[in-house]
Amino acid sequence: AQSVTQLGSHVSVSEGALVLLRCNYSSSVPPYLFWYVQYPNQGLQLLLKYTSAATLVKGINDFEAEFKKSETSFHLTKPSAHMSDAAEYFCAVRGGGYQKVTFGTGTKLQVIP
Amino acid sequence: DTGVSQDPRHKITKRGQNVTFRCDPISEHNRLYWYRQTLGQGPEFLTYFQNEAQLEKSRLLSDRFSAERPKGSFSTLEIQRTEQGDSAMYLCASSLGVDQETQYFGPGTRLLVL
Repeated sequence: AQSVTQLGSHVSVSEGALVLLRCNYSSSVPPYLFWYVQYPNQGLQLLLKYTSAATLVKGINDFEAEFKKSETSFHLTKPSAHMSDAAEYFCAVRGGGYQKVTFGTGTKLQVIP
Repeated sequence: DTGVSQDPRHKITKRGQNVTFRCDPISEHNRLYWYRQTLGQGPEFLTYFQNEAQLEKSRLLSDRFSAERPKGSFSTLEIQRTEQGDSAMYLCASSLGVDQETQYFGPGTRLLVL
């Protein structure tokens, strides 16, 4: 079984401030973890993924995430928010050997000028 | 590489009608997935194909839903006798089918059942 919990359905940050979006996962097997971004009325775009290599994963647009097995977390960060980062972000987990990806309920990021 | 495409992008139908959606995956990808996303929720897995074989179906996929991928390329998702509860965004994704594979998503088809 696998699941994802995203803490905070809405997060607001000022432009230029640190972005932190929280994700905790549960998986009965070593997981693959993903962060996707979704702009209004569009599909999902992959930001970054963890596949058991380096625990600190760098993605597009200066986003990064750190896999912490002891905390079962995979939080997404960005040092400085930009107005174009306003979107909905989804954390997702896939148990190794399984094809089904389970998504969290999403966090809407608002960037305040 | 033109990415995953879906058609139509929007569909409005009356309750009880049948609808069919099409997904064209990235050309070299042999795995294809269907998800459903309702407002305020993350995508929920419906089914997936390895080439033309449908290998897994979610319990969400009731008897009114059927998916096909006849030649291992494009796929169709049909909903018969639509209900208002079927209103959602239907997302298609494809992947290469190797370990550590990433699923690439299309823009989705938004269905509204009146």
